[in-house]
Amino acid sequence: RKEVEQDPGPFNVPEGATVAFNCTYSNSASQSFFWYRQDCRKEPKLLMSVYSSGNEDGRFTAQLNRASQYISLLIRDSKLSDSATYLCVVNVISNFNKFYFGSGTKLNVKP
Amino acid sequence: DVKVTQSSRYLVKRTGEKVFLECVQDMDHENMFWYRQDPGLGLRLIYFSYDVKMKEKGDIPEGYSVSREKKERFSLILESASTNQTSMYLCASSLRLAGGQETQYFGPGTRLLVL
Repeated sequence: RKEVEQDPGPFNVPEGATVAFNCTYSNSASQSFFWYRQDCRKEPKLLMSVYSSGNEDGRFTAQLNRASQYISLLIRDSKLSDSATYLCVVNVISNFNKFYFGSGTKLNVKP
Repeated sequence: DVKVTQSSRYLVKRTGEKVFLECVQDMDHENMFWYRQDPGLGLRLIYFSYDVKMKEKGDIPEGYSVSREKKERFSLILESASTNQTSMYLCASSLRLAGGQETQYFGPGTRLLVL
């Protein structure tokens, strides 16, 4: 079983739509959670960390459900520039602090 | 701003060649990582290093080795390149904060094609 699982999509939405992605993780010892954004043929870039109480950054809201072991990302008022692949990342804090990446969810925002 | 650079954006090598991929970070980060990214498989950890001259195997170390002689530089070596090592290679660095939180920053990636 993969450590982190995501729906690969693609999610095709019109501009202005609200879209949500979920991600599940298998290791209950996971302690830090992140969403990264990756544009085509570019490196992943940190979008936001995910905190236990949930957090918001502009049009983006991230939530964590430890009991069910999933995290979510909500994008409101989608822009064309939001088109990208969104990677879910969990971190197991141990001696070596390993990171586990989902395969990514592709979002296409259409005019 | 954190800056992670990789020596090449694109590389074409022949089967059996020795390949060096270099990564440099300018933020004095302790931890450095090498991943490969393949369609449908996501990022897979090859090796990582938490200090100079220290290295640990990741999930797919076979066919690779690494070197960390200086804190800012982490090299990935393919001793004898094979076609199944054609991939996008991503280097990352991170710093562990007092509370244990750690965030990775990536270089631009190297697309390696092995013929």
